Order: sequence, then structure tokens, then C-alpha cells
Amino acid sequence: GAVVSQHPSRVICKSGTSVKIECRSLDFQATTMFWYRQFPKQSLMLMATSNEGSKATYEQGVEKDKFLINHASLTLSTLTVTSAHPEDSSFYICSAELTSGGSYNEQFFGPGTRLTVL
Amino acid sequence: KQEVTQIPAALSVPEGENLVLNCSFTDSAIYNLQWFRQDPGKGLTSLLLIQSSQREQTSGRLNASLDKSSGRSTLYIAASQPGDSATYLCAVAPGGGNKLTFGTGTQLKVEL
Repeated sequence: GAVVSQHPSRVICKSGTSVKIECRSLDFQATTMFWYRQFPKQSLMLMATSNEGSKATYEQGVEKDKFLINHASLTLSTLTVTSAHPEDSSFYICSAELTSGGSYNEQFFGPGTRLTVL
Repeated sequence: KQEVTQIPAALSVPEGENLVLNCSFTDSAIYNLQWFRQDPGKGLTSLLLIQSSQREQTSGRLNASLDKSSGRSTLYIAASQPGDSATYLCAVAPGGGNKLTFGTGTQLKVEL
């Protein structure tokens, strides 16, 4: 149980285009999902918290107009990189929170999406 | 602001060795600490989660300890195997929050 998928796993796009990445919780509902970015040989940096039915909360320094997040259902959050540039090339990972009824909801991670902007 | 550091950044050992990975964090007001494994180009696999009230957790050849007051955790891997080669990340969850802060990672290579 607690499986999270991402699509696509890899995407190559031209500079100036927009790219959408999907994050799905396959066997549970997730009110909250998170989007992370990871540069080569570096750790995960939280970009934003995605809340079902409301606006995402972005971390300091993350451009909300560049990284559009939509959490339209309890099993799907999407990250759209708008007007992508080569510096947006990175590994994007999402996670979904499994509500346990306790005081802590564990996050389960997707397999990641490799974005390359030419 | 919580900062999480992992030492060493990279480690290469021969098969069969026991090894220790270190994780330190600056703010001891954590709810729990989690160790993850990441294979190249892949997502994260959770290995062990230690609640702030616990001192250690074990799973198979893995043992994680937590010293919350000193801001330290260790991941002990017994009898290492080539299949253990991966990057190991620790992450802390804050008290009263749900945003994880990840460490810098240790890239482990276990050689035949």
C-alpha cells in the first residue's frame, strides 16, 4: 500500500515551453502533497505544499507563477513548469501524505521526474 | 531554520564491512527522524522512522539510533552488500509541522 506515481518519468522540452508533471496517490487519498526539487548530487529541497481544494503554499524563493501547482482531487496534484529554461532542468519528486488519524502523517514519495530543458 | 548535515558525503567500502552513516541536525525540536535510500535517478525508499521519544529502530541489517538532545542520528549497516550501494538521506520532521528537512546525503558504494 501507499504507492505514489509520477508521470512522466522523463521529459525533454525546448526552452520557452511549459511542462506538466503529474503526481498520483494510487491506493490512498492525500489531502496534502509536496513537491521537491533535487539538483545532481544534492539533497531534496521543498518547493511547495499542495493542498486539495486550495492554493498551494510555496517556500521562500520559489516563484509561484513559474511553478504552477494544482491539487484538483484527493489523488492527483500537478506541477506545471511554465516558460521553462535550461536552469529549470532538474529532478522533481513529489510526495503524498497518508492521513493516519494520529499526530503525524507519513509522506510517501513518487519515483521522480527528470526534466531537461534544451 | 533547521539544518541537516550528513557525514561522510561519500563512502566506499569492501563487501562485508559494517559501516556507520551520520546525520546531525541543528534544531532538536523534532517530531521524528527518517532514513531513506535513493538509487540513481529514482525516488526515495523509506528505511527507518524513529519517533523523537525513541532511541533506536531496527530493520534487518539496518539499525538507526537517535540522540535528540545532541542533534544526532546514526544509521548502522551490518555486513554490507553491493546491493546496498545507493545514496542515503536522513530527514527530520519538526514538532507541530509536516515539512521534512533533508540532509545532504551520503553516497555509499559497496565493492566486491
